[in-house]
Amino acid sequence: AAGVIQSPRHLIKEKRETATLKCYPIPRHDTVYWYQQGPGQDPQFLISFYEKMQSDKGSIPDRFSAQQFSDYHSELNMSSLELGDSALYFCASSLDRGANYGYTFGSGTRLTVV
Amino acid sequence: GENVEQHPSTLSVQEGDSAVIKCTYSDSASNYFPWYKQELGKGPQLIIDIRSNVGEKKDQRIAVTLNKTAKHFSLHITETQPEDSAVYFCAASNVQGGSEKLVFGKGTKLTVNP
Repeated sequence: AAGVIQSPRHLIKEKRETATLKCYPIPRHDTVYWYQQGPGQDPQFLISFYEKMQSDKGSIPDRFSAQQFSDYHSELNMSSLELGDSALYFCASSLDRGANYGYTFGSGTRLTVV
Repeated sequence: GENVEQHPSTLSVQEGDSAVIKCTYSDSASNYFPWYKQELGKGPQLIIDIRSNVGEKKDQRIAVTLNKTAKHFSLHITETQPEDSAVYFCAASNVQGGSEKLVFGKGTKLTVNP
């Protein structure tokens, strides 16, 4: 079965650089969520999109922005990177905002800021 | 907002024993409670979930119970095997309630000793 695809798997950036993370949801899924997970921490919700519109926002820094495109894939743009942005970034997708089939997570992007 | 507490933070059992992980939540509007298994460097993998209209659900060696009155839910793993060793997260969400993001517990590191 198709899963949630995230790219790239690993990314190394220098401070103050910009990074773009991509997420391709399971086909037919209309909702995408972004989470940030620091070492030894639980995933923290950043932002979500339903039918290409932002549906909820969590503790996402103003330096970060995201959008969902017409093909339902999503991109998380991170600017002016800081050392503290180093983390695993997960994307999850669901159908109809998780109403029936729950949420499926991708394998994540490991971002390292040096 | 929702707050999820998870206990214990670490759990060590002998192969073949049972393991129980407990979570409490604060928002009575939450109606979806998934459990995720996360192996090092990988994305959270859904292992079982329960919705608020059900008190118990079982899938082979894994079961989840929900007490809505007390606002707590538990994961039970029987006949544990070394490959069950991982970090387990509980989560809560209000699907289709305008805030369907998952709020996670802090995680339980389960070690199954051969």
